[in-house]
Amino acid sequence: GQNIDQPTEMTATEGAIVQINCTYQTSGFNGLFWYQQHAGEAPTFLSYNVLDGLEEKGRFSSFLSRSKGYSYLLLKELQMKDSASYLCAVTATGGSYIPTFGRGTSLIVHP
Amino acid sequence: DVKVTQSSRYLVKRTGEKVFLECVQDMDHENMFWYRQDPGLGLRLIYFSYDVKMKEKGDIPEGYSVSREKKERFSLILESASTNQTSMYLCASSLTGGSGNTIYFGEGSWLTVV
Repeated sequence: GQNIDQPTEMTATEGAIVQINCTYQTSGFNGLFWYQQHAGEAPTFLSYNVLDGLEEKGRFSSFLSRSKGYSYLLLKELQMKDSASYLCAVTATGGSYIPTFGRGTSLIVHP
Repeated sequence: DVKVTQSSRYLVKRTGEKVFLECVQDMDHENMFWYRQDPGLGLRLIYFSYDVKMKEKGDIPEGYSVSREKKERFSLILESASTNQTSMYLCASSLTGGSGNTIYFGEGSWLTVV
């Protein structure tokens, strides 16, 4: 099985930087996704990491360390619209490559 | 753009009713999924299908069944709805062939069983 852990809730100020961590335990790790979900809406894809290191995409970056079972999502220049839930999901070779999702981190951005 | 469409956004059903949740995707994806999402529990996989007429149980299949008669359509069936099935249901689809294939989600169906 897979165990994915991320903080339940975080708050940050508009314009700041926030880092959302995700730790996982799985056998046959294959890749890690980050999704964003606004309240009442569908999750939307943000990033996918399969190799160690940092992937940068505009204001959002995602980091992976396979040896540590650790990832983070970095959000820069926070905007009010970034208030959402952020879901970490892991795929493994033993799980038919179907992502298993963490419980999500609710990020609240305030002025 | 990939589009995954769930036919019903909000439903209210009575205990014991049979409930159908329909999902259609327009990108010729092989894989389709049904998840439920509950506060504090995150997304949990109910069933998935990797081909027409094929289905596999996910983590919480009890009380549910599915149907995939056509590649683009994946239906979730609650044979006899119960109050503990009140939840938000998310349909999703993806290409097959490896772990890097993004899952695309529908808008979600909010089901209340009274």
